[in-house]
Amino acid sequence: NAGVTQTPKFQVLKTGQSMTLQCAQDMNHEYMSWYRQDPGMGLRLIHYSVGAGITDQGEVPNGYNVSRSTTEDFPLRLLSAAPSQTSVYFCASSYSTSGGAYEQFFGPGTRLTVL
Amino acid sequence: SQQGEEDPQALSIQEGENATMNCSYKTSINNLQWYRQNSGRGLVHLILIRSNEREKHSGRLRVTLDTSKKSSSLLITASRAADTASYFCATAPTQGGSEKLVFGKGMKLTVNP
Repeated sequence: NAGVTQTPKFQVLKTGQSMTLQCAQDMNHEYMSWYRQDPGMGLRLIHYSVGAGITDQGEVPNGYNVSRSTTEDFPLRLLSAAPSQTSVYFCASSYSTSGGAYEQFFGPGTRLTVL
Repeated sequence: SQQGEEDPQALSIQEGENATMNCSYKTSINNLQWYRQNSGRGLVHLILIRSNEREKHSGRLRVTLDTSKKSSSLLITASRAADTASYFCATAPTQGGSEKLVFGKGMKLTVNP
């Protein structure tokens, strides 16, 4: 299994450009999520999905869109990039273990710079 | 908003010593998890402790949970240079869905050879 894969690894955008960060998992996990990691801020949840066709907002959703058309894929779209969106983005997937606990599997991250 | 706060924020020890990291949180939880992040990589799940458990072991890792004090500790025994990484606690809130983990800001552990 490849686990959780993310593309691209690095990206530089100009202010106002749009792009899509790709995330895929091959573990048949029902739950997927996107986080951003900024220095000294830990991980903050952007959007999440509990299954195909179902998405919801996390803590910092503004400026981002998601969709979940399949179990495997969960792309994150930046609508109009801003310098404040410079960050490292992590995609994660998880499943419910016994007792309803979710252990998350993370992708390698995408380092995004917005100029 | 962050629920877990790791303490200390940075720790430097010698190989072979034990490392203890603490995590405090604010609301009721279903479980608490610890993750490790090596520089430039994604997070890796280390261990999970449920709210009805007080202590759990996994190899050189020992986790405790005190729900009355809303705190947890992660002990790494006989540390190795390869343990150098950032460590995060993550809580699964009772309310709002336990799939939505809330991560702390992390703490950086350096193990000197």
